[in-house]
Amino acid sequence: EPEVTQTPSHQVTQMGQEVILRCVPISNHLYFYWYRQILGQKVEFLVSFYNNEISEKSEIFDDQFSVERPDGSNFTLKIRSTKLEDSAMYFCASSVHVAGANVLTFGAGSRLTVL
Amino acid sequence: DAKTTQPPSMDCAEGRAANLPCNHSTISGNEYVYWYRQIHSQGPQYIIHGLKNNETNEMASLIITEDRKSSTLILPHATLRDTAVYYCIVTPLGNTGKLIFGQGTTLQVKP
Repeated sequence: EPEVTQTPSHQVTQMGQEVILRCVPISNHLYFYWYRQILGQKVEFLVSFYNNEISEKSEIFDDQFSVERPDGSNFTLKIRSTKLEDSAMYFCASSVHVAGANVLTFGAGSRLTVL
Repeated sequence: DAKTTQPPSMDCAEGRAANLPCNHSTISGNEYVYWYRQIHSQGPQYIIHGLKNNETNEMASLIITEDRKSSTLILPHATLRDTAVYYCIVTPLGNTGKLIFGQGTTLQVKP
């Protein structure tokens, strides 16, 4: 079964450092997403991306965050200057719309720890 | 905020059917009901979705009431591997993929 692949599985960084989380979406999917989950809290939407631009973003997705699809296969989330509160599990997802329904396939996540 | 209400937790005996309820009394005509689950901090996993008709796939069945204000996810023969947090999410037709996750229902399948 096709899957969304995320790297790294765990990253530890110092506060103020830049971090790039990488994702390889399912090959025929056209829509890409990042979500995050702080330990013990809900899964939260960050951003959706389609046709090489952001479709929608949440209030969490401020100027410190950016997304990019640098080539035909990767989708990245960059955090410019990490803060302690950015520590979370970050999930990438991709989807294809079928008859108005939008079914997301999530990756296993990248755990980010900011010290 | 999530547009759905779910019980925080439920237990089910292994091999029995697990029936997980969801209330979505403010659902509108163009909104789907989706169910996802999350097994121990892994990425959420899609289970099933429906608009107004009942649906069944290899994982589960979804029963939507006629007035569409509530639904039930049925796992016909629960196994220990079905222990997870189950999320009922309402989202409009053609949405951008923004899913609003609530707290969900923690289903504990017991031997």
